[in-house]
Amino acid sequence: SQELEQSPQSLIVQEGKNLTINCTSSKTLYGLYWYKQKYGEGLIFLMMLQKGGEEKSHEKITAKLDEKKQQSSLHITASQPSHAGIYLCGADISGGSNYKLTFGKGTLLTVNP
Amino acid sequence: NAGVTQTPKFQVLKTGQSMTLQCAQDMNHEYMSWYRQDPGMGLRLIHYSVGAGITDQGEVPNGYNVSRSTTEDFPLRLLSAAPSQTSVYFCASSLAATNEKLFFGSGTQLSVL
Repeated sequence: SQELEQSPQSLIVQEGKNLTINCTSSKTLYGLYWYKQKYGEGLIFLMMLQKGGEEKSHEKITAKLDEKKQQSSLHITASQPSHAGIYLCGADISGGSNYKLTFGKGTLLTVNP
Repeated sequence: NAGVTQTPKFQVLKTGQSMTLQCAQDMNHEYMSWYRQDPGMGLRLIHYSVGAGITDQGEVPNGYNVSRSTTEDFPLRLLSAAPSQTSVYFCASSLAATNEKLFFGSGTQLSVL
């Protein structure tokens, strides 16, 4: 079974709309990372959350960590075509190190102009 | 600052051939790792290293060898390529093995016929 579940698997939104991507862990989270991948490219780091209740924002992207629910959400406000890509969450579920950072399967975001 | 450099970008092999995927980083990172990305499977950890001379297995290590003779380089060797190893391979590094973001290379697309 997948240890990190992302939802939805894919998302199509109109430019200007808000959206949320969720990442739920079946194990205790020791750190949660969000990455973005464009087709044919590597992963670009977006944000890292380490404490329950922590919330970080960068430009129009906000990520939150709910430690009790073992869940993180990524929220994009007023989406733009430049936000399109695959969003992946990665988490340390091995007990406090990056040794075996586990990733979800990703959420494919399409933003229509 | 080049970051994480992977070569080659594309490679086609015949079943049974061997080859080495190269990964180099110029950030003096202690931690390096290899992932493979397959449709519907997300990113899966193959091998990782927490420093020169130290390597360990990830989730899917069979059929792959690694070594870490220097801090900068972390090559991935396919001993006898199989069609099941057709995938996109990513090398990633971080300053330390704990609570540090991973920097990814741009990937190597490998096809095994």
